[in-house]
Amino acid sequence: AQRVTQPEKLLSVFKGAPVELKCNYSYSGSPELFWYVQYSRQRLQLLLRHISRESIKGFTADLNKGETSFHLKKPFAQEEDSAMYYCALRGQAAGNKLTFGGGTRVLVKP
Amino acid sequence: NAGVTQTPKFRVLKTGQSMTLLCAQDMNHEYMYWYRQDPGMGLRLIHYSVGEGTTAKGEVPDGYNVSRLKKQNFLLGLESAAPSQTSVYFCASGPGGINSPLHFGNGTRLTVT
Repeated sequence: AQRVTQPEKLLSVFKGAPVELKCNYSYSGSPELFWYVQYSRQRLQLLLRHISRESIKGFTADLNKGETSFHLKKPFAQEEDSAMYYCALRGQAAGNKLTFGGGTRVLVKP
Repeated sequence: NAGVTQTPKFRVLKTGQSMTLLCAQDMNHEYMYWYRQDPGMGLRLIHYSVGEGTTAKGEVPDGYNVSRLKKQNFLLGLESAAPSQTSVYFCASGPGGINSPLHFGNGTRLTVT
C-alpha cells in the first residue's frame, strides 16, 4: 500500500522568511513524487517532480529515500506563495494513479 | 487548447437526487481520473480509466459510477446523492508513462442537502 503524510495542516510565515513543507511517504518500491499547488479556487497545478531536480518559483524538493521524505522548501517566501500544497506519490501499480497527502495550507503574511 | 474541462461548476442536490458530472479533455490522454477533495483529507481517488471503454475503482468508489464511452470524456454519476457526497470533485487526465504529471480540471463544487 502507498501512503503520503503531510503533518502540517497550516503553515503561517512572514514574507521573506524561509518555508518548508514536510512530506513523508510509505511505499516499498521506487516511487515517483510530485508537489502540486492549488491557488485560491483554482485547479491543481504541477509545481515540481522529483525526477526533474529543478527549481520552480524558487521552490525545491529533494527526495530522501532513507528518510522516505520529499520536503518542499523555499528560502524567501512571497505573498503570492499563499496556497494549498499537496504532495503526491505514484507507485508501480496499474492505472498510473497518484496518491495525495492531506495538504498543507501556506499563508504568507506581509 | 482547453485542457481538462468540467461541467457543471456548481450544483446543489437534495438527498436522493441523481446527477452526472462531465469531464472532457482535448489532449488525447489515455488515463482519466475522478477525485474528491475534502478538508484535511486531500484528494481521494473515486474511479479511474486507463482507456476508452475501461473503468476501475479507486479508493472511495461507493455511491458513484463512471463511464468512458469516448476517449475524451469521463462521466461521474451519483445515482442517489447523500450529504456525505458534499465535496469538490476534480477530474484529471494524463498520458501515462514514467513521471508524467496529471492535468486537472477546475473542479465541481457539489452540495447535497
